[in-house]
Amino acid sequence: KQEVTQIPAALSVPEGENLVLNCSFTDSAIYNLQWFRQDPGKGLTSLLLIQSSQREQTSGRLNASLDKSSGRSTLYIAASQPGDSATYLCALLFNYGQNFVFGPGTRLSVLP
Amino acid sequence: EAGVAQSPRYKIIEKRQSVAFWCNPISGHATLYWYQQILGQGPKLLIQFQNNGVVDDSQLPKDRFSAERLKGVDSTLKIQPAKLEDSAVYLCASSRTGPTGELFFGEGSRLTVL
Repeated sequence: KQEVTQIPAALSVPEGENLVLNCSFTDSAIYNLQWFRQDPGKGLTSLLLIQSSQREQTSGRLNASLDKSSGRSTLYIAASQPGDSATYLCALLFNYGQNFVFGPGTRLSVLP
Repeated sequence: EAGVAQSPRYKIIEKRQSVAFWCNPISGHATLYWYQQILGQGPKLLIQFQNNGVVDDSQLPKDRFSAERLKGVDSTLKIQPAKLEDSAVYLCASSRTGPTGELFFGEGSRLTVL
């Protein structure tokens, strides 16, 4: 059974800090990995998608990396802002499955 | 491009009653998913459609949950009869290029069962 974990479950940082969110998985055979943001009471917003052949993707202040050999992906947020406060989830599509497996998320609070 | 549309946004019912949720995916997206998200957890897949055929419904509690996607476009998820543990957010998502494509989610339908 594929398992996806995200540690820590919650994180508080002061505004302006650079931070890293972690996503770990037990099976390295993946098609792609997607990072999402979820605001309270809202659906999930796609941030970045990394295909299996890629090592990283960047969008603005966000950078996501993928290391299949170590079973780990990181989401780097530069110069954090209070508006970045949300829950961040990773989701993986494994080779021999046909649906995404989600991590439980990391709840981020950026304090002004 | 319009996003994934869901309704209703909120629903409160008594246990043993029935409820239905509607989803209209992004135009041209062949794959449609229904997820259940319990507070503090990641979404869990209930059912996946490819056009109007079911790809995966292995985690759908078929004694009380049903879903259909007529004509390969919009979809309805029904719960009958509802239990207290069905209280959750029901999320609809779609993707363009099948199961390896990027997922796009709707705002979700929050169900409270009393």
